[in-house]
Amino acid sequence: DVVLTQTPLSSPVTLGQPASISCRSSQSLVHSDGNTYLSWLQQRPGQPPRLLIYKISNRFSGVPDRFSGSGAGTDFTLKISRVEAEDVGVYYCMQATHFPPLTFGGGTKVEIK
Amino acid sequence: QVQLVESGGGVVQPGRSLRLSCAASGFTFGSYGMHWVRQAPGKGLEWVAVIWYDGSQKYYGDSVKGRFTISRDNSKNMLYLQMNSLRAEDTAVYYCARDTGWDQLLAYWGQGTLVSVSS
Repeated sequence: DVVLTQTPLSSPVTLGQPASISCRSSQSLVHSDGNTYLSWLQQRPGQPPRLLIYKISNRFSGVPDRFSGSGAGTDFTLKISRVEAEDVGVYYCMQATHFPPLTFGGGTKVEIK
Repeated sequence: QVQLVESGGGVVQPGRSLRLSCAASGFTFGSYGMHWVRQAPGKGLEWVAVIWYDGSQKYYGDSVKGRFTISRDNSKNMLYLQMNSLRAEDTAVYYCARDTGWDQLLAYWGQGTLVSVSS
């Protein structure tokens, strides 16, 4: 199975400052159809996860444009341009290229300094 | 609006069975693939199973293969997870989630139901 490794484990950020999370895959996530099925999910405290980004860089419906995704192959990044209080939570990358199974990264906790 | 409501969780002894349900509303249930994803207390996300929109295909995570069965009733807008031979390590919040397309998997989530396996 594909292993997704996220760094850092925790990211203390000052309100209004940027945050960046890395996700590295144990193998290329380029599918035979040419797409890369790498998504990012957010889980606020006490809430279910929420889809933020799909296919590396596409924001899901209703997701603010301060969230952006980038990367290719095995290395991917989620960026928050200016962290707001509501962005506190755990962020997970997820791959569907080598399905089944769906696999998730271990999570990165974003907290306010 | 899309609504997914899980039920059926609770405390169960090791080796026993439990069936989870997920009631869907606000969309054409029979048009979308559905998943179960779980989260052990204080841990990350683990994918459990998926069922195709028409029930024609089902896949499972290795840790539940042979013990859990995913099913759906499109006439009732219901998703199920039959869990047999439960183990302590199955203790988790179980979420049902809906796809929007192959590129938008797990697009909508329920609030989850807690399963605790303990003697």
